[in-house]
Amino acid sequence: NAGVTQTPKFRILKIGQSMTLQCTQDMNHNYMYWYRQDPGMGLKLIYYSVGAGITDKGEVPNGYNVSRSTTEDFPLRLELAAPSQTSVYFCASSYSRPSGDTQYFGPGTRLTVL
Amino acid sequence: TQLLEQSPQFLSIQEGENLTVYCNSSSVFSSLQWYRQEPGEGPVLLVTVVTGGEVKKLKRLTFQFGDARKDSSLHITAAQPGDTGLYLCAGLMDSNYQLIWGAGTKLIIKP
Repeated sequence: NAGVTQTPKFRILKIGQSMTLQCTQDMNHNYMYWYRQDPGMGLKLIYYSVGAGITDKGEVPNGYNVSRSTTEDFPLRLELAAPSQTSVYFCASSYSRPSGDTQYFGPGTRLTVL
Repeated sequence: TQLLEQSPQFLSIQEGENLTVYCNSSSVFSSLQWYRQEPGEGPVLLVTVVTGGEVKKLKRLTFQFGDARKDSSLHITAAQPGDTGLYLCAGLMDSNYQLIWGAGTKLIIKP
């Protein structure tokens, strides 16, 4: 099993550009999450999904969109990139809700918006 | 806004020493998790504590959940260079099943 894979690993965007961060998991997990990690700050939840076709906002959803058309894939879309979106983005998955289950994280995408 | 504070933010000690890092909040959590993160990688779960006062051991690492389920500690005995990393705590809110994350403790163990 590859676990949780993310692409790309690094990306530089200009202000106003858009992009999609890809996330795929091969563990047949129901729950998937997108976090951002800023230096000196804890992870912040952007969006999460409890299953295909179901998504919900986390703590910091503004400027982002997600979709969950399949169990495996959970892409994160950035529209009109802004310098405040410079961060490391992590995708994670778990079989069930976090209370009793492990979240498995991908290796992250380091995004810089200039 | 719920807040999980970790202390210290940074700790650099010699191999063989003991250390404790703390995770504190004014909020009550249904459970609390500790993760370790290596540079360029995602966090990896070390342990989940659920019951107030619970103590879990993972080799030289001892995790404790506060009686009131508002705080937790991680104690490392005889630290080794392989323990180097960013240690993150995350508390689960029952109200929305979301994890609230601390900012982390960056630990460096010098040989």
